[in-house]
Amino acid sequence: GAVVSQHPSRVICKSGTSVKIECRSLDFQATTMFWYRQFPKQSLMLMATSNEGSKATYEQGVEKDKFLINHASLTLSTLTVTSAHPEDSSFYICSASGTRNEQFFGPGTRLTVL
Amino acid sequence: AQKVTQAQTEISVVEKEDVTLDCVYETRDTTYYLFWYKQPPSGELVFLIRRNSFDEQNEISGRYSWNFQKSTSSFNFTITASQVVDSAVYFCALTPLPFANTDKLIFGTGTRLQVFP
Repeated sequence: GAVVSQHPSRVICKSGTSVKIECRSLDFQATTMFWYRQFPKQSLMLMATSNEGSKATYEQGVEKDKFLINHASLTLSTLTVTSAHPEDSSFYICSASGTRNEQFFGPGTRLTVL
Repeated sequence: AQKVTQAQTEISVVEKEDVTLDCVYETRDTTYYLFWYKQPPSGELVFLIRRNSFDEQNEISGRYSWNFQKSTSSFNFTITASQVVDSAVYFCALTPLPFANTDKLIFGTGTRLQVFP
């Protein structure tokens, strides 16, 4: 199956700093990428959908200025958590879709903001 | 509105027992996909199955089987002869067809399965 990578897998940062998470599709071109957030013992909540070359579509309640998404190429999307605070600590998972209704998930990034 | 309900928050079984994880969904769409994913402690989501709403045939894959009942909007997952390695959180998910230009997945809240030796 298709492979999606995320980098870094874990990050610890101080409050107020910005953190960038990369999501790459390694062996296919991803026209659409998705970013999910998962709090401990909870489900995955879709944050935003991004299509290559266009602005991301954010879900209701997700601050687009807080969570910057860039989908610059067919194999790379980035999520930047700006001015991170402890409440942003979470598990962030990306997925990539090349053909309709087949999403391939990355391994996730665990963000801890001190 | 679309919604996926997994009423069982946690299930504990002893190895070799059979266990069924329930999934009930709501959608007004006539065509949709249903999924099951496994999330082990490492966090990575593992794809288990995708089922088209037009295909109500039950499926078996090794120790795993799925029962899709459109009449009751359920897509239950059974693990036969459970093993310790089956311990994980299992998510049921739904995506409507078509949906603009996205393939938005709506996840249930998950069922944490613990299999004890």
